[in-house]
Amino acid sequence: DAGVTQSPTHLIKTRGQQVTLRCSPISGHKSVSWYQQVLGQGPQFIFQYYEKEERGRGNFPDRFSARQFPNYSSELNVNALLLGDSALYLCASSPGRDQETQYFGPGTRLLVL
Amino acid sequence: AQTVTQSQPEMSVQEAETVTLSCTYDTSESDYYLFWYKQPPSRQMILVIRQEAYKQQNATENRFSVNFQKAAKSFSLKISDSQLGDAAMYFCAEGGSNAWGGSEKLVFGKGTKLTVNP
Repeated sequence: DAGVTQSPTHLIKTRGQQVTLRCSPISGHKSVSWYQQVLGQGPQFIFQYYEKEERGRGNFPDRFSARQFPNYSSELNVNALLLGDSALYLCASSPGRDQETQYFGPGTRLLVL
Repeated sequence: AQTVTQSQPEMSVQEAETVTLSCTYDTSESDYYLFWYKQPPSRQMILVIRQEAYKQQNATENRFSVNFQKAAKSFSLKISDSQLGDAAMYFCAEGGSNAWGGSEKLVFGKGTKLTVNP
């Protein structure tokens, strides 16, 4: 079975632009979570979705938004990009109810110039 | 607030030897889970091992085992017979169960960089 997939793998943007990152969960997984990993740090939680509803939000500004589609794939949007948004963005999926392990995708490397 | 602390920024081990990575955590949750993830230079975060807090028995996965001390809120990872492919960043993480039955957000430590010397 295919693992969690993310696109694109790399992205370069300039300050003020907007970006959309995409994630497809493992088949059968209904929960998707997004994390930001700045170089040299552990991942920080951004959002969690389950059954297309937002179930959790981390301490990130409103410039960050996300959604989950009926096929359980997800998009993360970041508006008005800042230099500090440069990071590896990780998507993780889990089966959902009574299944706590999250499985991660390869990430999208975002560089803001 | 949940916190996870990894006090060893870097560790090194000789091939075939044993190494232990430390992790402490703080949570107010009564039902939670602990994880070790490995992140090689390829960036993919790979699950190494997980431990349910309600289980007293320490989890093992082949050469990987944990020492879970619930009262001390300690969760160390032991890697036996270290291999060159074990070289990576290792992250300790803690997460609970949501009211809706799914997995709670994960809180990660800052990681430990493991070097395996031939």
